[in-house]
Amino acid sequence: EAGVTQFPSHSVIEKGQTVTLRCDPISGHDNLYWYRRVMGKEIKFLLHFVKESKQDESGMPNNRFLAERTGGTYSTLKVQPAELEDSGVYFCASSQYGANVLTFGAGSRLTVL
Amino acid sequence: AQRVTQPEKLLSVFKGAPVELKCNYSYSGSPELFWYVQYSRQRLQLLLRHISRESIKGFTADLNKGETSFHLKKPFAQEEDSAMYYCALMGKTSYDKVIFGPGTSLSVIP
Repeated sequence: EAGVTQFPSHSVIEKGQTVTLRCDPISGHDNLYWYRRVMGKEIKFLLHFVKESKQDESGMPNNRFLAERTGGTYSTLKVQPAELEDSGVYFCASSQYGANVLTFGAGSRLTVL
Repeated sequence: AQRVTQPEKLLSVFKGAPVELKCNYSYSGSPELFWYVQYSRQRLQLLLRHISRESIKGFTADLNKGETSFHLKKPFAQEEDSAMYYCALMGKTSYDKVIFGPGTSLSVIP
């Protein structure tokens, strides 16, 4: 089966620009999570979708971040406008309902200059 | 509030030595605990979970509810164990989020 796919693998933008990250979860996985690794180490929770609904978005840092999950399939995370502190690696993970084990994508590295 | 702590950011051990990566948690209830690992140039992946009570790659972890700990142990470290290890916690339902500790970078010295 195909794994969790994330695009782009690396994005370099200037402060004030917009970036959209995409995640394609494993087919059939209802749960989709976005995380961000900050300072190269800590993995911070951003939000959790169950199908197309936002189950928990308590980790979204501010209203410059917007996440969507169209039809309960792929998800996008848009940062607009980007700030320097948004730099990091954004991970997407998915799981089947009731499985509780996350399958991670390779991550999207965002560099804001 | 849910929280996972890993006191060691970096841990270095010699090959063949025992290794213990510490993890403590706070949660009002009975969570599920996991260890995830990221090897160099690989994706973050599950190493083991407490409900499985199994040994993976020689690693074991015992959930101690009294001490709210879930330390990861291996009796004899190997060079290929060098990686970033994250302890993680999830609530009881599949609708709960998974939160991660800050991670411990394990370096096994040949």
